[in-house]
Parts: sequence; structure tokens; C-alpha cells
Amino acid sequence: GAVVSQHPSWVICKSGTSVKIECRSLDFQATTMFWYRQFPKQSLMLMATSNEGSKATYEQGVEKDKFLINHASLTLSTLTVTSAHPEDSSFYICSAQGVGNQPQHFGDGTRLSIL
Amino acid sequence: EDQVTQSPEALRLQEGESSSLNCSYTVSGLRGLFWYRQDPGKGPEFLFTLYSAGEEKEKERLKATLTKKESFLHITAPKPEDSATYLCAVQAPGTGNQFYFGTGTSLTVIP
Repeated sequence: GAVVSQHPSWVICKSGTSVKIECRSLDFQATTMFWYRQFPKQSLMLMATSNEGSKATYEQGVEKDKFLINHASLTLSTLTVTSAHPEDSSFYICSAQGVGNQPQHFGDGTRLSIL
Repeated sequence: EDQVTQSPEALRLQEGESSSLNCSYTVSGLRGLFWYRQDPGKGPEFLFTLYSAGEEKEKERLKATLTKKESFLHITAPKPEDSATYLCAVQAPGTGNQFYFGTGTSLTVIP
């Protein structure tokens, strides 16, 4: 149980393109979803937290107009990187959490490369 | 400020050589402590949740324990397939559902 699917797993695109990443909880309802960024050999950096039907809460230093997050249902959240540039290249990981003190369950990440 | 510190940063073990990873935390009023395993190029995989001091959880060669200031992940007779980065995270009250992650311990088990 507690499976989180993230898609796509790898994307390469040209600078200036917008890229959408999907995160789905397959077998549970995710009241909260999280988006992280991870640099090589570093730990997870929280970008934003979203609750279903509410606006996302962004961490300090994360541009909300650059990283658009939508959490329209209890099983789906999307992250759109708008007008991506090479410095946005990274490994993006989502997680989903049910009600209460439940663990976060993670997707397998999306490797984003901007040329 | 709430903090989570993991040690050592990296650990190399011979196959069968048992050891422990440490996660110390300074959050007030722990709501939960979570252990994850992360393989290269993958998202973290959930291992254990511990909620109160004295609690222990086991899964195969792994055993997690919790005190009021730290948690240990004991690895008994490790195998090469246990090689991964192990992350711990804590959830504190007053932070919504936010987790504070440590920087992880990179474990390599040599055959």
C-alpha cells in the first residue's frame, strides 16, 4: 500500500519551455502533498506544501510564479516549472501524506534537464 | 531552531559487519520520527515511524529505536543490497505537516 506515482521520470527540454510534473497517490487519499528539490549528494530541499483545494505554501526563496503547484484533488498534485532555464535543472521529488501523523510517501522523482 | 543531525555522513561495512546509524534531533514535542531509504536516482522509500521514546520497530536486518533525543537505525549482518542513503526526518507540532530531514548517511556494504 501507500504508492505514489510521479510522472515523467525524465524530461529534457529547451530553455524557455514550461514543464509539468504529475504526482498521484494511487491507493490512499493525500490530504497534503509536498514538492522537494534534490541536488547531487545532498538531502531533500522542501519547495512547497499543498493541501487539497488550497493554495500551496512556498518555502522562503522559492518563486511561486516560477514553480506553479496545483492540488486539485486528494490524489493528484502537479508542479509546473514555467519558462524553465538551465539553472532549474534538478531532481524533483513529490510526496504525499494522509491524515494525522502519517509518514510521507514519495514518488520516484523527475530528472529535469534544461538545455 | 529545530534541527536534525545524522551521523556518520558515510559508512563502509563489510558484509555481515553490524553497525548503527544515528539521528539526533532537537525539536520540541516530537510528533513522529521517520526513517527512509533512498537509492540513487529514486525517491525515498519509507521504512519506519517511531512516535515515543522507548519504541522500537524491526524489519528484516533493520531495527529502529527512539530516545528523547535521538534515534538509531541498527543494521544487523548487512548485505550489499542494503547499500543506500538512509534519511531520518522528524515532525514537530506547530509546523503543520512539515518534516525536517537530516542530510542522510550513505551506507556501502562491501561483499
